[in-house]
Amino acid sequence: KQEVTQIPAALSVPEGENLVLNCSFTDSAIYNLQWFRQDPGKGLTSLLLIQSSQREQTSGRLNASLDKSSGRSTLYIAASQPGDSATYLCAVVNAGGTSYGKLTFGQGTILTVHP
Amino acid sequence: DVKVTQSSRYLVKRTGEKVFLECVQDMDHENMFWYRQDPGLGLRLIYFSYDVKMKEKGDIPEGYSVSREKKERFSLILESASTNQTSMYLCASSLWPSGSPLHFGNGTRLTVT
Repeated sequence: KQEVTQIPAALSVPEGENLVLNCSFTDSAIYNLQWFRQDPGKGLTSLLLIQSSQREQTSGRLNASLDKSSGRSTLYIAASQPGDSATYLCAVVNAGGTSYGKLTFGQGTILTVHP
Repeated sequence: DVKVTQSSRYLVKRTGEKVFLECVQDMDHENMFWYRQDPGLGLRLIYFSYDVKMKEKGDIPEGYSVSREKKERFSLILESASTNQTSMYLCASSLWPSGSPLHFGNGTRLTVT
């Protein structure tokens, strides 16, 4: 059974710092990996999706990398801002015809960026 | 932009009541999902559907059922609500095949008293 782990569970940084969030998964046979952001009391917003054949994806100040063979992904946030404060979750879709896009989620990293 | 709409943001129900949570998406997505989110347990998949009238159990289907009569609408039904079903319920949708992003609604915070 796929298990997804995110480290650290919480992170507090001053504004302007570059930071890295980590995600690991136990079964490397994945179809894709997604990073999400969740604000308190809200749903999840998709940030980046990396297909299994890709190594990284970039969107603005965000860069996500994928090392499928070692079961790891990182989310890099450049020049962090207070507005980046949220919970960040990673999730994987297992390969295989019956996956139907079901995601297995990590527990998330709570990020606080203070001015 | 994809819009996934959940009919209620907050809901308070009594133990034993039958509860309906509605979800509608406007992008003609084949896949739809119901998750619940609890502190310390993360997001857990209750049910999903990959086509009209098709449904599959997720990891925690006990006490729940679903209905998908139309492609855009996926309903979660709590047959007889219990206090341990107090949770945040999140609906999501995606295109088929599964190489596309998952889009979530804003969630329904259900309290069962």
